[in-house]
Amino acid sequence: DADVTQTPRNRITKTGKRIMLECSQTKGHDRMYWYRQDPGLGLRLIYYSFDVKDINKGEISDGYSVSRQAQAKFSLSLESAIPNQTALYFCATSDTGRTGRLRYTFGSGTRLTVV
Amino acid sequence: DQQVKQNSPSLSVQEGRISILNCDYTNSMFDYFLWYKKYPAEGPTFLISISSIKDKNEDGRFTVFLNKSAKHLSLHIVPSQPGDSAVYFCAASGPGTSYGKLTFGQGTILTVHP
Repeated sequence: DADVTQTPRNRITKTGKRIMLECSQTKGHDRMYWYRQDPGLGLRLIYYSFDVKDINKGEISDGYSVSRQAQAKFSLSLESAIPNQTALYFCATSDTGRTGRLRYTFGSGTRLTVV
Repeated sequence: DQQVKQNSPSLSVQEGRISILNCDYTNSMFDYFLWYKKYPAEGPTFLISISSIKDKNEDGRFTVFLNKSAKHLSLHIVPSQPGDSAVYFCAASGPGTSYGKLTFGQGTILTVHP
């Protein structure tokens, strides 16, 4: 099983619909993140959580919300999807490991299309 | 305001030659830099990193160079192999409460021809 699992892998939804993207991890990491990737823009941070009780906005949080249900689960919701939210979404976890160096593990991504 | 920039959208290299991918940053608070590699339909995977206290880090065929005064880093791949063809992202992190949050560049598509 993958260390960071995202569901669904692909989703097409209509404008105005509410949609949830789910992420679960088996790494045991406290820190979890949601990024979106757009062509020519790289990955941009939407929300992040450094532990279960800690939720923080990233650089592009408008139109999104998150829920950290447990250490292993971090969900991203689009309350009312719009076409410019069409993108590839990545969940990630991080820790610093024994070397003290930052280590990220990404999921395989969710391709979301809003029509 | 793009704090991390990869100004070359694509790079094409012959197998066996050197690939050099470049990255510039504007935030002087960044003190840790990483390179990620991404294949289609997969998430980014970690390649190599460098702390701002160093100017070079090597791992096999991959070397990252950091020039703090120029706010520039580069990834060298020698020799390049067809399996290296992927999108490469540089990323940066800052200290304190910013540590752990990564700011990514736009990515460079590397194609290595046999």
